[in-house]
Amino acid sequence: DGGITQSPKYLFRKEGQNVTLSCEQNLNHDAMYWYRQDPGQGLRLIYYSQIVNDFQKGDIAEGYSVSREKKESFPLTVTSAQKNPTAFYLCASSYGGSGANVLTFGAGSRLTVL
Amino acid sequence: GQNIDQPTEMTATEGAIVQINCTYQTSGFNGLFWYQQHAGEAPTFLSYNVLDGLEEKGRFSSFLSRSKGYSYLLLKELQMKDSASYLCAVRDQTGNTPLVFGKGTRLSVIA
Repeated sequence: DGGITQSPKYLFRKEGQNVTLSCEQNLNHDAMYWYRQDPGQGLRLIYYSQIVNDFQKGDIAEGYSVSREKKESFPLTVTSAQKNPTAFYLCASSYGGSGANVLTFGAGSRLTVL
Repeated sequence: GQNIDQPTEMTATEGAIVQINCTYQTSGFNGLFWYQQHAGEAPTFLSYNVLDGLEEKGRFSSFLSRSKGYSYLLLKELQMKDSASYLCAVRDQTGNTPLVFGKGTRLSVIA
């Protein structure tokens, strides 16, 4: 079955450590996105990539980094520079043809900083 | 700036009809989306409007007025499983671009 796989589902990190969240899709989608969700805040865009080897900052990119070396993969690194990293992280992808280009989401990764 | 407003919480009775409103002010407009999100889970796509009018899909319908910057999601014959957050989102650019999300409306369906 096609879909988006995020791992790990739960992650604990000590302050000062970097951590990388994995996002893999087998939908043959062109674009991929990372959103952060905090209680009562809705989804906020961190980074997105429309094609391989290219990505753009979203509204809250500070303290995060990404890469897009393969069409299927868009990992997110939460660096020690991110001051409040505890959140629910959602990866999404969309096709790129004509029409709605609906975003399809992965199951999410919940990061807790101890 | 981008601004998408929707009520924070709503409560409705099982079997009833509920309307969740969304107003938006964005720099551009290239479609409005509604997603459902159960607690701790991923959002799932419900509906898409790009032209004015009503789109119906089973128990769910969505309406758009571009001139008013307004949409609503209508849920009929409410079921307990409809208790979830409902997210309104706008694509403000053309092409395969990100969505701007509102903060979501948490709907509680009671017996």
